[in-house]
Amino acid sequence: DAGVTQSPTHLIKTRGQHVTLRCSPISGHKSVSWYQQVLGQGPQFIFQYYEKEERGRGNFPDRFSARQFPNYSSELNVNALLLGDSALYLCASSLAGQWEKLFFGSGTQLSVL
Amino acid sequence: KQEVTQIPAALSVPEGENLVLNCSFTDSAIYNLQWFRQDPGKGLTSLLLIQSSQREQTSGRLNASLDKSSGRSTLYIAASQPGDSATYLCGEGRGGADGLTFGKGTHLIIQP
Repeated sequence: DAGVTQSPTHLIKTRGQHVTLRCSPISGHKSVSWYQQVLGQGPQFIFQYYEKEERGRGNFPDRFSARQFPNYSSELNVNALLLGDSALYLCASSLAGQWEKLFFGSGTQLSVL
Repeated sequence: KQEVTQIPAALSVPEGENLVLNCSFTDSAIYNLQWFRQDPGKGLTSLLLIQSSQREQTSGRLNASLDKSSGRSTLYIAASQPGDSATYLCGEGRGGADGLTFGKGTHLIIQP
């Protein structure tokens, strides 16, 4: 079975632009979470979705939004990009929620110039 | 505010040694704790998950313990190998819709 897949793997944007990151969870997993990891730091929680509904949100501005589709894949959108948004964006899937074992994708490396 | 601290920040040991990585957390309402490894530029690989009702979990050469009263978890790696070189992260979970709170990680180098 395929693991968690994320696309694209790398992305370069300029300040003020918009970006969409995509994630496909492991087959059978209904929960998807998004994390931001800045170089040298641990991942920070952005969103959790379960059964297409937002179940949790971390301390991120409204420029960050996400959604989950009927096939349980997910998109993370970031508007009005800032230099500080440069980071590795990680998607994790689990059967039902954060309290279970999380399986992470390899991430999308976003650089904002 | 939840805080997770990992000590040491970096560790370099010769192959074959047993070693202990430490993780401390401030939230006594912990639901579970997960240990992950991360290779450079890659995502996280789950190693062990300990529920708050458990004291330890084992997988192969890895053993993780959890002490809620002292707010500590340790990851014990036996007979270390060069392939164990990676950054090890612990993530505290409070259950529900809250995400995991991670430490900054321990960067481990095993010298051949």
